[in-house]
Amino acid sequence: DAGVTQSPTHLIKTRGQQVTLRCSPKSGHDTVSWYQQALGQGPQFIFQYYEEEERQRGNFPDRFSGHQFPNYSSELNVNALWLGDSALYLCASSLDGIGTYEQYFGPGTRLTVT
Amino acid sequence: AQKITQTQPGMFVQEKEAVTLDCTYDTSDQSYGLFWYKQPSSGEMIFLIYQGSYDEQNATEGRYSLNFQKARKSANLVISASQLGDSAMYFCAMRAYSGAGSYQLTFGKGTKLSVIP
Repeated sequence: DAGVTQSPTHLIKTRGQQVTLRCSPKSGHDTVSWYQQALGQGPQFIFQYYEEEERQRGNFPDRFSGHQFPNYSSELNVNALWLGDSALYLCASSLDGIGTYEQYFGPGTRLTVT
Repeated sequence: AQKITQTQPGMFVQEKEAVTLDCTYDTSDQSYGLFWYKQPSSGEMIFLIYQGSYDEQNATEGRYSLNFQKARKSANLVISASQLGDSAMYFCAMRAYSGAGSYQLTFGKGTKLSVIP
């Protein structure tokens, strides 16, 4: 049973460019959350997707956008990259519903903006 | 809004000894969950243990136990019989179950645990 997968593993971009990160949830999961983890910090919630719609958003600018596909996989897009966007981007999947609580994380995509 | 505080940037423990990692939280919600995650240098967040705000008993998962003191708003992680493979970053996190922010995990800044042979 495959867990959460993310691609690419590492990415180097130039300031002002755009980037797309991808996530496939754990089998059977229907909800995907994205987190940004800056060096030396805990993860910060970006947004969550459920039923192909953004259900909740953290304190991130509109440059951060996402999408969820019918197979529950998800993309995170960041436009007009800043140096401060350099971070580990983590995807987490879960099964929506009463009594469920565990989020399974992927290995992350490490983005470096130069 | 929820807030998680981890006051220990780094901790050292001798192999086979027990260690406690501190976590305090702040929330106005009555229903919430508390989580501990382990993050090795590879980056992946590994779920360790969960405690619901209405759970009367402290959670345990193998060598991990959560010392939940609701009145003090603390949720400390206890690792017994430390192993070299326990060396990693440890994050405490919270999720509220109602209102704004109910779908997100709020994390602390983490504690780096180093196990000494």
